[in-house]
Amino acid sequence: AQTVTQSQPEMSVQEAETVTLSCTYDTSESDYYLFWYKQPPSRQMILVIRQEAYKQQNATENRFSVNFQKAAKSFSLKISDSQLGDAAMYFCAYRSAEKLTFGTGTRLTIIP
Amino acid sequence: GAGVSQTPSNKVTEKGKYVELRCDPISGHTALYWYRQSLGQGPEFLIYFQGTGAADDSGLPNDRFFAVRPEGSVSTLKIQRTERGDSAVYLCASSPSGGTEYEQYFGPGTRLTVT
Repeated sequence: AQTVTQSQPEMSVQEAETVTLSCTYDTSESDYYLFWYKQPPSRQMILVIRQEAYKQQNATENRFSVNFQKAAKSFSLKISDSQLGDAAMYFCAYRSAEKLTFGTGTRLTIIP
Repeated sequence: GAGVSQTPSNKVTEKGKYVELRCDPISGHTALYWYRQSLGQGPEFLIYFQGTGAADDSGLPNDRFFAVRPEGSVSTLKIQRTERGDSAVYLCASSPSGGTEYEQYFGPGTRLTVT
């Protein structure tokens, strides 16, 4: 079974600075997708960024980028120029079939 | 356009009671998913529908949990003889079709509290 581990329960960053959230996963499969979701207090999960395992190039979406290390089974999220609206729970997730497998999340606080 | 909606937003029930949670997917989405998010945890998969049929119900914790999607759109998650351990946020997601290339769009969830 696949597992996803987020070892940072909480992180904080100064507004406009850069922060990196860590994620590791375990799988025996070679073809899969990885995701970062944001969950604000409204509870709705919002997709931040996705990475296909077969792509060597790291995904980027505006201020969000990932560092995908397939051999190490590591998938970190970097947020540049942090904004107050980035404050939320962030979940790393794995998908190889229909279901998503999530980590336990990292609560990100933005310090004004 | 309208996103995934879930009703009720919050539900408080007594131990032993029956509850129904409703999910309205995005119009035209054939794939629908239910997840359960306990306090301090990430969401955990419960069940996946493709059209009207449950294609994967491996995440349902026991036979007190059941879900239906009779017309291939709205889905209802049913919990019998609720227990305090069932307290959680129940999230629904829909997707244009099954397949890993399609994004799952989540609703705001129903917070279930069993007293």
